[in-house]
Amino acid sequence: AQSVTQPDIHITVSEGASLELRCNYSYGATPYLFWYVQSPGQGLQLLLKYFSGDTLVQGIKGFEAEFKRSQSSFNLRKPSVHWSDAAEYFCAVGGGSYIPTFGRGTSLIVHP
Amino acid sequence: KAGVTQTPRYLIKTRGQQVTLSCSPISGHRSVSWYQQTPGQGLQFLFEYFSETQRNKGNFPGRFSGRQFSNSRSEMNVSTLELGDSALYLCASSLGLAGGPAKNIQYFGAGTRLSVL
Repeated sequence: AQSVTQPDIHITVSEGASLELRCNYSYGATPYLFWYVQSPGQGLQLLLKYFSGDTLVQGIKGFEAEFKRSQSSFNLRKPSVHWSDAAEYFCAVGGGSYIPTFGRGTSLIVHP
Repeated sequence: KAGVTQTPRYLIKTRGQQVTLSCSPISGHRSVSWYQQTPGQGLQFLFEYFSETQRNKGNFPGRFSGRQFSNSRSEMNVSTLELGDSALYLCASSLGLAGGPAKNIQYFGAGTRLSVL
Protein backbone atom coordinates (compact mmCIF):
# COMPACT_ATOMS: atom_id res chain seq x y z
CA ALA A 1 0.00 0.00 0.00
CA GLN A 2 1.18 3.51 -0.69
CA SER A 3 1.28 6.25 1.94
CA VAL A 4 2.48 9.80 2.41
CA THR A 5 3.70 11.56 5.53
CA GLN A 6 3.97 15.30 5.87
CA PRO A 7 5.68 15.68 9.24
CA ASP A 8 4.93 19.37 9.70
CA ILE A 9 1.33 20.40 10.35
CA HIS A 10 2.21 24.10 10.37
CA ILE A 11 5.21 26.03 9.07
CA THR A 12 5.74 29.72 9.73
CA VAL A 13 8.19 31.78 7.67
CA SER A 14 8.86 35.45 7.12
CA GLU A 15 8.17 36.98 3.75
CA GLY A 16 11.30 36.79 1.63
CA ALA A 17 12.71 33.83 3.53
CA SER A 18 13.33 30.46 1.95
CA LEU A 19 10.91 27.58 2.38
CA GLU A 20 11.15 23.80 2.53
CA LEU A 21 8.13 21.57 3.11
CA ARG A 22 8.83 17.95 3.86
CA CYS A 23 7.20 14.92 2.31
CA ASN A 24 8.05 11.27 2.86
CA TYR A 25 6.38 8.51 0.93
CA SER A 26 6.07 4.77 1.07
CA TYR A 27 5.72 2.80 -2.13
CA GLY A 28 7.32 -0.40 -3.33
CA ALA A 29 8.25 0.68 -6.84
CA THR A 30 9.07 3.95 -8.55
CA PRO A 31 6.43 6.38 -7.37
CA TYR A 32 4.63 9.16 -9.11
CA LEU A 33 4.79 12.21 -6.85
CA PHE A 34 2.80 15.41 -6.75
CA TRP A 35 2.55 18.64 -4.81
CA TYR A 36 -0.74 20.50 -4.69
CA VAL A 37 -1.63 23.84 -3.09
CA GLN A 38 -5.00 24.80 -1.65
CA SER A 39 -5.91 28.40 -0.92
CA PRO A 40 -8.69 29.03 1.61
CA GLY A 41 -12.08 28.00 0.29
CA GLN A 42 -10.61 26.66 -2.92
CA GLY A 43 -9.83 23.33 -4.49
CA LEU A 44 -6.38 21.87 -5.01
CA GLN A 45 -4.07 23.28 -7.68
CA LEU A 46 -1.23 21.18 -9.05
CA LEU A 47 2.16 22.79 -8.36
CA LEU A 48 4.44 20.16 -9.84
CA LYS A 49 4.86 16.46 -10.46
CA TYR A 50 7.59 13.84 -10.73
CA PHE A 51 7.29 10.77 -12.89
CA SER A 52 10.84 9.94 -13.94
CA GLY A 53 14.08 11.48 -15.17
CA ASP A 54 15.61 14.56 -13.59
CA THR A 55 15.09 14.35 -9.86
CA LEU A 56 14.78 18.13 -9.50
CA VAL A 57 11.47 19.29 -10.92
CA GLN A 58 10.30 22.80 -11.48
CA GLY A 59 6.73 23.86 -10.95
CA ILE A 60 4.55 26.89 -11.10
CA LYS A 61 4.81 29.96 -8.86
CA GLY A 62 8.57 29.51 -8.44
CA PHE A 63 8.36 26.20 -6.58
CA GLU A 64 10.64 23.23 -7.08
CA ALA A 65 10.91 19.78 -5.53
CA GLU A 66 13.63 17.18 -5.36
CA PHE A 67 13.03 13.44 -5.47
CA LYS A 68 15.45 11.49 -3.28
CA ARG A 69 14.91 7.77 -3.61
CA SER A 70 17.37 6.87 -0.86
CA GLN A 71 15.42 8.99 1.63
CA SER A 72 11.95 8.29 0.19
CA SER A 73 11.43 12.03 0.14
CA PHE A 74 10.00 14.62 -2.18
CA ASN A 75 10.50 17.96 -0.45
CA LEU A 76 9.07 21.18 -1.82
CA ARG A 77 11.22 24.31 -1.87
CA LYS A 78 10.98 27.97 -2.74
CA PRO A 79 13.90 30.41 -2.43
CA SER A 80 11.85 33.46 -1.43
CA VAL A 81 8.33 33.24 -0.06
CA HIS A 82 5.65 35.80 -0.85
CA TRP A 83 2.67 36.59 1.37
CA SER A 84 0.39 35.12 -1.32
CA ASP A 85 2.03 31.71 -0.80
CA ALA A 86 0.17 31.30 2.49
CA ALA A 87 -1.98 28.23 1.92
CA GLU A 88 -2.27 24.51 2.61
CA TYR A 89 0.19 22.27 0.76
CA PHE A 90 -0.44 18.63 -0.01
CA CYS A 91 2.00 15.99 -1.14
CA ALA A 92 0.58 12.96 -2.97
CA VAL A 93 1.93 9.67 -4.24
CA GLY A 94 0.56 7.49 -7.02
CA GLY A 95 1.54 4.10 -8.27
CA GLY A 96 -0.37 1.45 -10.11
CA SER A 97 -3.69 2.80 -8.96
CA TYR A 98 -5.37 5.62 -10.78
CA ILE A 99 -6.00 7.29 -7.44
CA PRO A 100 -3.21 9.18 -5.66
CA THR A 101 -2.83 9.01 -1.90
CA PHE A 102 -2.61 12.40 -0.22
CA GLY A 103 -0.74 13.49 2.89
CA ARG A 104 -2.51 15.34 5.68
CA GLY A 105 -1.18 18.66 4.47
CA THR A 106 1.11 21.41 5.79
CA SER A 107 -0.31 24.82 6.54
CA LEU A 108 2.07 27.61 5.53
CA ILE A 109 1.86 30.88 7.45
CA VAL A 110 3.76 33.85 6.09
CA HIS A 111 4.70 36.74 8.38
CA PRO A 112 5.21 40.19 6.83
CA LYS B 1 -10.46 25.40 -21.56
CA ALA B 2 -12.89 25.52 -18.65
CA GLY B 3 -11.83 23.87 -15.43
CA VAL B 4 -13.71 21.50 -13.18
CA THR B 5 -17.01 23.02 -12.08
CA GLN B 6 -18.76 22.03 -8.90
CA THR B 7 -22.24 23.14 -7.92
CA PRO B 8 -23.48 24.36 -5.62
CA ARG B 9 -20.57 25.98 -3.77
CA TYR B 10 -22.34 25.98 -0.42
CA LEU B 11 -25.11 23.88 1.07
CA ILE B 12 -26.82 23.82 4.43
CA LYS B 13 -28.86 20.77 5.33
CA THR B 14 -30.31 19.24 8.46
CA ARG B 15 -29.72 15.79 9.85
CA GLY B 16 -31.65 13.06 8.09
CA GLN B 17 -31.97 14.92 4.82
CA GLN B 18 -30.28 13.88 1.62
CA VAL B 19 -28.14 15.97 -0.71
CA THR B 20 -26.90 15.80 -4.29
CA LEU B 21 -23.70 17.47 -5.45
CA SER B 22 -22.75 18.00 -9.06
CA CYS B 23 -19.43 18.00 -10.89
CA SER B 24 -18.69 18.90 -14.50
CA PRO B 25 -15.22 17.72 -15.55
CA ILE B 26 -12.77 19.35 -17.90
CA SER B 27 -13.79 18.77 -21.50
CA GLY B 28 -12.34 15.47 -22.73
CA HIS B 29 -11.82 14.06 -19.25
CA ARG B 30 -13.64 10.80 -18.68
CA SER B 31 -12.68 10.06 -15.09
CA VAL B 32 -14.25 11.83 -12.13
CA SER B 33 -13.15 11.25 -8.54
CA TRP B 34 -14.76 12.50 -5.34
CA TYR B 35 -13.03 13.34 -2.09
CA GLN B 36 -14.21 14.41 1.35
CA GLN B 37 -12.01 16.92 3.14
CA THR B 38 -12.31 17.59 6.87
CA PRO B 39 -9.89 19.19 9.33
CA GLY B 40 -9.64 15.97 11.31
CA GLN B 41 -9.31 13.40 8.54
CA GLY B 42 -7.75 15.37 5.71
CA LEU B 43 -8.52 14.32 2.14
CA GLN B 44 -10.33 11.01 1.93
CA PHE B 45 -11.13 9.29 -1.34
CA LEU B 46 -14.79 8.45 -1.85
CA PHE B 47 -15.03 6.91 -5.32
CA GLU B 48 -14.03 7.27 -8.94
CA TYR B 49 -16.18 6.96 -12.03
CA PHE B 50 -15.02 6.23 -15.54
CA SER B 51 -17.30 5.77 -18.54
CA GLU B 52 -20.38 5.74 -16.32
CA THR B 53 -19.00 2.91 -14.16
CA GLN B 54 -17.59 3.05 -10.67
CA ARG B 55 -13.99 1.98 -11.08
CA ASN B 56 -12.54 2.59 -7.61
CA LYS B 57 -14.14 2.97 -4.22
CA GLY B 58 -12.94 4.26 -0.88
CA ASN B 59 -14.01 3.19 2.56
CA PHE B 60 -17.25 5.07 3.08
CA PRO B 61 -20.69 3.77 4.08
CA GLY B 62 -23.38 3.03 1.53
CA ARG B 63 -25.08 6.35 2.32
CA PHE B 64 -22.52 7.86 -0.05
CA SER B 65 -23.20 7.06 -3.67
CA GLY B 66 -22.49 8.50 -7.05
CA ARG B 67 -23.12 8.21 -10.71
CA GLN B 68 -21.71 9.44 -13.97
CA PHE B 69 -23.58 10.42 -17.08
CA SER B 70 -22.69 9.82 -20.71
CA ASN B 71 -21.24 13.35 -20.98
CA SER B 72 -18.90 12.50 -18.04
CA ARG B 73 -20.69 14.83 -15.64
CA SER B 74 -20.99 13.25 -12.23
CA GLU B 75 -23.23 13.54 -9.22
CA MET B 76 -22.65 12.48 -5.67
CA ASN B 77 -25.49 11.73 -3.29
CA VAL B 78 -25.45 11.48 0.48
CA SER B 79 -28.56 10.10 2.13
CA THR B 80 -29.63 10.34 5.77
CA LEU B 81 -27.17 13.11 6.53
CA GLU B 82 -25.24 13.06 9.80
CA LEU B 83 -23.47 15.91 11.56
CA GLY B 84 -20.15 14.26 10.71
CA ASP B 85 -20.86 14.62 7.00
CA SER B 86 -20.12 18.33 7.25
CA ALA B 87 -17.12 18.80 5.01
CA LEU B 88 -15.70 20.21 1.83
CA TYR B 89 -16.46 17.80 -1.00
CA LEU B 90 -13.98 17.98 -3.82
CA CYS B 91 -14.30 16.63 -7.31
CA ALA B 92 -11.32 15.92 -9.53
CA SER B 93 -11.26 14.99 -13.18
CA SER B 94 -8.62 13.30 -15.29
CA LEU B 95 -8.28 11.77 -18.72
CA GLY B 96 -8.77 8.28 -17.33
CA LEU B 97 -6.30 6.65 -19.72
CA ALA B 98 -4.52 3.37 -19.05
CA GLY B 99 -1.07 3.94 -17.58
CA GLY B 100 -1.76 4.95 -13.99
CA PRO B 101 -1.23 8.40 -12.48
CA ALA B 102 1.30 9.50 -15.11
CA LYS B 103 -1.49 9.75 -17.64
CA ASN B 104 -4.19 10.63 -15.19
CA ILE B 105 -3.22 13.81 -13.43
CA GLN B 106 -6.13 14.98 -11.35
CA TYR B 107 -7.48 18.49 -11.67
CA PHE B 108 -9.70 19.72 -8.88
CA GLY B 109 -12.78 21.87 -8.66
CA ALA B 110 -13.30 24.51 -5.97
CA GLY B 111 -15.48 22.16 -3.95
CA THR B 112 -18.89 22.17 -2.34
CA ARG B 113 -18.99 23.17 1.31
CA LEU B 114 -21.68 21.10 3.03
CA SER B 115 -22.86 22.04 6.50
CA VAL B 116 -25.18 19.66 8.33
CA LEU B 117 -27.12 21.16 11.23
